[in-house]
Order: sequence, then C-alpha cells, then structure tokens
Amino acid sequence: SQQGEEDPQALSIQEGENATMNCSYKTSINNLQWYRQNSGRGLVHLILIRSNEREKHSGRLRVTLDTSKKSSSLLITASRAADTASYFCATDSSASKIIFGSGTRLSIRP
Amino acid sequence: NAGVTQTPKFQVLKTGQSMTLQCAQDMNHEYMSWYRQDPGMGLRLIHYSVGAGITDQGEVPNGYNVSRSTTEDFPLRLLSAAPSQTSVYFCASSTGTGFSSGTDTQYFGPGTRLTVL
Repeated sequence: SQQGEEDPQALSIQEGENATMNCSYKTSINNLQWYRQNSGRGLVHLILIRSNEREKHSGRLRVTLDTSKKSSSLLITASRAADTASYFCATDSSASKIIFGSGTRLSIRP
Repeated sequence: NAGVTQTPKFQVLKTGQSMTLQCAQDMNHEYMSWYRQDPGMGLRLIHYSVGAGITDQGEVPNGYNVSRSTTEDFPLRLLSAAPSQTSVYFCASSTGTGFSSGTDTQYFGPGTRLTVL
C-alpha cells in the first residue's frame, strides 16, 4: 500500500539549530500531513499541504512538497528542547484513509 | 470540548480473553478510526468509519471488530486476544465530511496501552 517513509529514522541536533526531516511516498496524493508525537502521547497534527501547494509555513515550521519527486520535507527552525519528539508524515492512500510512515525521532541536545 | 477520549489507559489481558476499547469524541466529527502502534513503528489503520452505521476495514483488521451506532462513539472489540495484539491503540476523528473525510486533519486520543500475556 502507499506509504510515506521518513528519513532519517533518528536525528540529534543542538538546541538552536535547524532540523530537517524528509518524507517520500510512492503514488499520487491529494494531500500530505505532518504529525508530532511526544513520548507516551497521542499524535498532534502540525500541518497539511495539498498537492497543488509547494510550500506552507506555520510558526517555526516550514513544509515543502515536490510532487514530481514524490517527496516532502519538514523544517523546524531554531529548535528547542520541547521539539524533542517523533515526527510522522501521512499520505492519503484513498479517499477514506491516510497511511503513516514509521517516523523520525528528533532529539534536541541542550 | 474534551476532544477524543479513550478508556482504559492501560489494560492487561490473558490470551483468549475479549475486551472492548472505548473511544468517544465530542466534536461532531463524521470520520473516526482506530490505529495500532508497535514499538519504533508508525501507525497502522485497523478499522475506520465515515459516519454512523458505516464501517470499513483498514490495513490490519483481523482479530478486531467495530461498530458505529452513534456519531460520538466508536468502540473497538478484541474478539480473542493474542500476544501479537500487544500494542498501543489510538483512536482518531477527522474534520472532513463525506468520502474524503479520512484524509483531513486527524485528532487523536491519548491511547490505550494493551498487553496480552
């Protein structure tokens, strides 16, 4: 089934640095979403980008979408300790459901 | 709004036992779904519903049943628990409506940690 796959699987950076995570998928999509999951908690929606959009911003988050390469990136600028979490992309595999990737574990070092 | 609530938070079962995981939302969302998350992995869709009285299978439906008698509630039933069903279970609802409702923003509950011995 169609699935977004995140890269890298794990990322450790210094506080204040920028963090970039990538997501690749296999077939055409209508939209792509990014979610964050803090340890032991449910997922929280960060941003949704539609197939006709190339870039979206939300606070310190910047998401890009390249439908020709079937890929998306999530950039977190000026990282903070509170950004430590797992980040998942999700793509719509059909009209009725979305498929999650296996996630990127981001650690922010103080 | 309480959002999406799940009960119980933790549960331990013996192999062969049955139980129901409860999920409720107070946002009047048509779309609801159940996922399981295994260590170090993403979420896999078990079952979903685009509205009251309508349910369908996801990626990993075997061993689970669902029903949707009201808009608010979407319980997940484990028929005969197996160790392979040890996982964290998340319920979610979506802002969308109609047949594309599952592809809009998902709101997740806090999860139920299930261990099957």
